[in-house]
Amino acid sequence: QVQLQQWGAGLLKPSETLSLTCAVYGGSFSGYQWNWIRQPPGKGLEWIGEINYSGSTKYNPSLKSRVTISVDTSKNQFSLHLTSVTAADTAVYYCARLLGASVTNWGQGTLVTVSS
Amino acid sequence: QSALTQPASVSGTPGQSITISCTGTSSDVGGYNLVSWYQQHPGKAPKLIIYEVNRRPSGISNRFSGSKSGNTASLTISGLQAEDEADYHCFSNSGGSAFRVFGGGTKLTVL
Repeated sequence: QVQLQQWGAGLLKPSETLSLTCAVYGGSFSGYQWNWIRQPPGKGLEWIGEINYSGSTKYNPSLKSRVTISVDTSKNQFSLHLTSVTAADTAVYYCARLLGASVTNWGQGTLVTVSS
Repeated sequence: QSALTQPASVSGTPGQSITISCTGTSSDVGGYNLVSWYQQHPGKAPKLIIYEVNRRPSGISNRFSGSKSGNTASLTISGLQAEDEADYHCFSNSGGSAFRVFGGGTKLTVL
């Protein structure tokens, strides 16, 4: 059974860079898309972007200028970097595995708060 | 990129059936048979309950069903139970599969 375990800083100041990493255990790393999804407090889910095994990426057009998703296949890990954060970026961030077009597995979620 | 449109809330009594809609455009919901639905209880990660419009993952009750007509996908829950009270989110490919988009989410209350 695949498990996704994520970590990263939970408190940032405005203009800093958000960095999260997700490790994949117990399953194949190839053949899937590895995604980042976020959920502001009390709101719906927002798709941030994804990467596949070969490093090909897709990003939410509204975040594309600030987002980078990278992959380290030697460690079965992928990472999210979001630059110039503001209070609007405060959210629970999830890493997730996509098979086809459906999210089959989720990380535990990380609450990232942006506050001065 | 706009979120898919879902009603903010729906409600029903135990045993009833309810339907949650997810409206997009021909560039997302209408363009692909790839809509999926997720159930999310408070403080928990979402859980896949429907994929590819109307397919159920293993272990998901047959009380959950999905359909699509034009640019609108729907999730129907029959025989409503107290444990179904949760938030429900739809999800679709978009923009020629260049990106993906969620609905705004629907809070289901079981009265």
